[in-house]
Amino acid sequence: KQEVTQIPAALSVPEGENLVLNCSFTDSAIYNLQWFRQDPGKGLTSLLLIQSSQREQTSGRLNASLDKSSGRSTLYIAASQPGDSATYLCAVFDSGAGSYQLTFGKGTKLSVIP
Amino acid sequence: NAGVTQTPKFRILKIGQSMTLQCAQDMNHNYMYWYRQDPGMGLKLIYYSVGAGITDKGEVPNGYNVSRSTTEDFPLRLELAAPSQTSVYFCASKPGESFTDTQYFGPGTRLTVL
Repeated sequence: KQEVTQIPAALSVPEGENLVLNCSFTDSAIYNLQWFRQDPGKGLTSLLLIQSSQREQTSGRLNASLDKSSGRSTLYIAASQPGDSATYLCAVFDSGAGSYQLTFGKGTKLSVIP
Repeated sequence: NAGVTQTPKFRILKIGQSMTLQCAQDMNHNYMYWYRQDPGMGLKLIYYSVGAGITDKGEVPNGYNVSRSTTEDFPLRLELAAPSQTSVYFCASKPGESFTDTQYFGPGTRLTVL
């Protein structure tokens, strides 16, 4: 059964700092890996999707990498801002459970201090 | 486009009551999903549908039922509510089976069973 782990569970940084969020998964037979952002009391917003054949994806100040063979992904946020404060969820898309589905980690709660 | 909409936003149920959580999308997406998110945990898949008239179980289907009579709507039915069903429920949709498609999430329904 696929398991997704995110470290750290919570992170507090001063504004302007660069930071890295980590995600690991146990079964490397994935089709893609996605990073989502969740604001309190709201739904999830997709940030980046990396296909299994890709190594990284970039969007603005965000860069996500994927090392499928080692079961790891990182989300790099450059020049953090208070508006980046949210919970970041990593999810992998596979068919290990008999159906094509996303398996989510528990998330990293990020606080950016002005 | 309104995207994915969910009603109600909040609901309190007594043990043994039943209710239906509504989900609708106006993006003409074929695939729709129901997840639950317990405090401090990642999302877990309850049921999903790949098109009108087709539904299948996810990781945690017990205590729930779904139907998909139209492309737009995917209601989730709770029968005989139990405290273990206290959670936040998210509906999501995506265009099709492509592994490059991301899922679009609704704002969630916060359910408490007392």
